[in-house]
Amino acid sequence: QSVLTQPPSASGTPGQRVTISCSGSSSNIGSNYVYWYQQLPGTAPKLLIFRNNQRPSGVPDRFSGSKSGTSASLAISGLRSEDEADYYCAAWDDSLTALFGGGTKLTVL
Amino acid sequence: QVQLVESGGGLVKPGGSLRLSCAASGFTFSDYYMSWIRQAPGKGLEWVSYISDSGATIYYADSVKGRFTVSRDNAKNSLYLQMNSLRAEDTAIYFCARDASIRDGHDFWGQGTLVTVSS
Repeated sequence: QSVLTQPPSASGTPGQRVTISCSGSSSNIGSNYVYWYQQLPGTAPKLLIFRNNQRPSGVPDRFSGSKSGTSASLAISGLRSEDEADYYCAAWDDSLTALFGGGTKLTVL
Repeated sequence: QVQLVESGGGLVKPGGSLRLSCAASGFTFSDYYMSWIRQAPGKGLEWVSYISDSGATIYYADSVKGRFTVSRDNAKNSLYLQMNSLRAEDTAIYFCARDASIRDGHDFWGQGTLVTVSS
């Protein structure tokens, strides 16, 4: 069981806005940056959001991240079929270990 | 362009050892912190280890502490993971990843190498 808690699944129709939550504690999300990764089927993960709400170059602005207290969320607007993937949140913990959430499988209906 | 290529995976018996390598190119390897992350078949991501740019600072997940050793050779642009006393639960795809900065996000990932621990 992961220290960072994500819903196992989420879904939406094309064009919709979907959010994925990530819940942690004061020693990880509460005091460190949150990252989000996208893993398309059969591929390596890709950094989607860094330092809570920053997008690497090349990531569409349809993807946005936010953090409040010990929780974070990833929002995807204008949902597209190619967004169907697994999404993972991550954060460092003050115990000097890195944590991943259990992952959320996003289905585009 | 940034490239990370893992190698060294394979089938090993419980209790055995394996050494993974990650060859880096397209960036100044010695300037970056690096991590190993694994993914068991059909499961989520699990961080394994982290090493600083000089190799002086190293962290491990509790699940591998005392059994795995991370190292790097900046002259060879290579990252390594020595895995001893392997268990069935170590079966996974092992990814090496570049860290954007000290204890930061993993901004580039290799394609992974599969380690299977089975008798």
